[in-house]
Amino acid sequence: NAGVTQTPKFQVLKTGQSMTLQCAQDMNHEYMSWYRQDPGMGLRLIHYSVGAGITDQGEVPNGYNVSRSTTEDFPLRLLSAAPSQTSVYFCASSWAGGRNNEQFFGPGTRLTVL
Amino acid sequence: AQSVTQPDIHITVSEGASLELRCNYSYGATPYLFWYVQSPGQGLQLLLKYFSGDTLVQGIKGFEAEFKRSQSSFNLRKPSVHWSDAAEYFCAVGAGGGNKLTFGTGTQLKVEL
Repeated sequence: NAGVTQTPKFQVLKTGQSMTLQCAQDMNHEYMSWYRQDPGMGLRLIHYSVGAGITDQGEVPNGYNVSRSTTEDFPLRLLSAAPSQTSVYFCASSWAGGRNNEQFFGPGTRLTVL
Repeated sequence: AQSVTQPDIHITVSEGASLELRCNYSYGATPYLFWYVQSPGQGLQLLLKYFSGDTLVQGIKGFEAEFKRSQSSFNLRKPSVHWSDAAEYFCAVGAGGGNKLTFGTGTQLKVEL
């Protein structure tokens, strides 16, 4: 099992550019989510999905879009990048609820917006 | 809305000394509580979790945590710290069946040899 994979590992964008951060998991988890990590702020939930075709907003959704067409993939799209989106982005997956809902995190994508 | 407070931003301990990292949470129902560790440049690894039952939870790498409902706390402990424990530690509370995590701001642990 590869677990949770994220691509790219590093990315530099200019203000106004768009891009998609990729996330995939091979554990057949229903639940997937995106977090951003900023110094001194811990991780904050951006968007999450409880299954294919179902997504919802987290704490900091503005400027990001998601979709979930398959169980395995949960891409995060930046529509028009801003310097405030400079951050480290983590994707996570887990079973939906219950005692086995340990979240497995990917290695992260470090994004810099100039 | 739930929240998590980790009052200590940085902690330095000597190798072999005991460790306690503090975590206080705010949540309206019975909380799902987690401790994660993050090494530099890495993702997060789950140390332990609490859902219900025994309030003293054992985790990996010799860590344990105690849930105290009356104090809204879930402090992480280790009796003897190893140099490899140097990392950042995050406490989190989970809503939505434990899946939607709210994290604390983290505690950076430095271990002196």
